[in-house]
Amino acid sequence: DQQVKQNSPSLSVQEGRISILNCDYTNSMFDYFLWYKKYPAEGPTFLISISSIKDKNEDGRFTVFLNKSAKHLSLHIVPSQPGDSAVYFCAASGGNYGGSQGNLIFGKGTKLSVKP
Amino acid sequence: ETGVTQTPRHLVMGMTNKKSLKCEQHLGHNAMYWYKQSAKKPLELMFVYNFKEQTENNSVPSRFSPECPNSSHLFLHLHTLQPEDSALYLCASSQAAGAGSGNTIYFGEGSWLTVV
Repeated sequence: DQQVKQNSPSLSVQEGRISILNCDYTNSMFDYFLWYKKYPAEGPTFLISISSIKDKNEDGRFTVFLNKSAKHLSLHIVPSQPGDSAVYFCAASGGNYGGSQGNLIFGKGTKLSVKP
Repeated sequence: ETGVTQTPRHLVMGMTNKKSLKCEQHLGHNAMYWYKQSAKKPLELMFVYNFKEQTENNSVPSRFSPECPNSSHLFLHLHTLQPEDSALYLCASSQAAGAGSGNTIYFGEGSWLTVV
């Protein structure tokens, strides 16, 4: 059973508009969440993270929101640019999941396409 | 440039071959990881090394053999692989083992492995 779920495999947004990528998790022990961005044929690149003691973290055009009661986080990109087109992975860690503290559990990713 | 370098970027090997993937990190980190990404599956953790000691083996078949001679270098030795082992193999590093607040995992660009 997937512990981290990204239910939308793809998202298409017009340049300049907001992109909202969603992620749900099931393990209440997770306390640290990250977003990674991946271009084809490259490894994932760290984008932004949030600790469970916060509900929002902002870095330039990127903002991550965390709703612990709903076990849901989202990544907002404003304004979206064509260069943002990539696959975005949500990841979570914390507690003693699988007997290994702190290892990242990834979602399957959402492919974002930003159209000019 | 993430500071984590993997070679080779592409590898094609027969099922009876022996080959190795190499990873080097220039970030001064103490923990290194191997992840596997198969088509349409989430990133899967394979091995974790912390200060050169293996701390995690995520039920990986013995045909994959990791080696960590020091905190900056990590190898994945491959022998008698199967076609279903064809995937993108990602090396990563972090300051300490396990993701947590302020301890981000950084990935290399990956090695594409095809087993024929």
